Amino acid sequence: DQQVKQNSPSLSVQEGRISILNCDYTNSMFDYFLWYKKYPAEGPTFLISISSIKDKNEDGRFTVFLNKSAKHLSLHIVPSQPGDSAVYFCAASARGSNYKLTFGKGTLLTVNP
Amino acid sequence: DGGITQSPKYLFRKEGQNVTLSCEQNLNHDAMYWYRQDPGQGLRLIYYSQIVNDFQKGDIAEGYSVSREKKESFPLTVTSAQKNPTAFYLCATSPNRDEKLFFGSGTQLSVL
Repeated sequence: DQQVKQNSPSLSVQEGRISILNCDYTNSMFDYFLWYKKYPAEGPTFLISISSIKDKNEDGRFTVFLNKSAKHLSLHIVPSQPGDSAVYFCAASARGSNYKLTFGKGTLLTVNP
Repeated sequence: DGGITQSPKYLFRKEGQNVTLSCEQNLNHDAMYWYRQDPGQGLRLIYYSQIVNDFQKGDIAEGYSVSREKKESFPLTVTSAQKNPTAFYLCATSPNRDEKLFFGSGTQLSVL
C-alpha cells in the first residue's frame, strides 16, 4: 500500500519556466512533509519542508504548497534551471510515531536549456 | 554530505555470501537509518536506530542485520537470506526524531 504517491514519473520543462511537481498521500496521520533532490549515484539532499500547520513554505526559487483537505502537496520551482534536473522525492512522516519517513517513488525533472 | 561516509562505493556479493556496508558519521547525530533504493522506486526503510545499542526494524528488514555499538557507526549486513540484494543502499542520520534526514552518498551492491 503506497502511502505517498508521485504519479508523474517524469517532467520536462524549459529553462526559465515553472516546474510543478505533485505528491499525494493517503495517511491522515502524516503531519510533516519534505522534498528531496537526488542526482544519479548520489544520496538525496534536503530541499524544503512544510509542517501541517502551514499551507505554504518558500525558500528562494522553491515553494511547497500543502492542501490538507485534498491530501496533496506540490513543489514549485521558479525559474527552472538546467541544474535543477534531478529526481525529486516527496516524503512524509507522522510525528510521535517512531519518526519514519515514507518516500514516494520520485519524479525525474529535466530542465531543457 | 561530507559528515556521513559510506563505504565502499561499489560492492559485489557472491551467492551465499554475507557482506557488510559501512556507515560512519561525525555529525554527532543520535538517529541513523538504512534505506534501499531500487530503480524506479522510492526509498524503503530497512532499519533505524535512535540511540546506541538500540535499533528497530523498518519496512523491509528481512535478510538484513545491523548493530549500533557506537554513536558514530551503523553498519548494515546483507545476509545470504536476502534473495534480491542488488540495490542502491543509503545511510542517513538526523539530530533527533523530528529533524530532517541527511544522507550519505550511497553504496551500490550487485550480485555476481
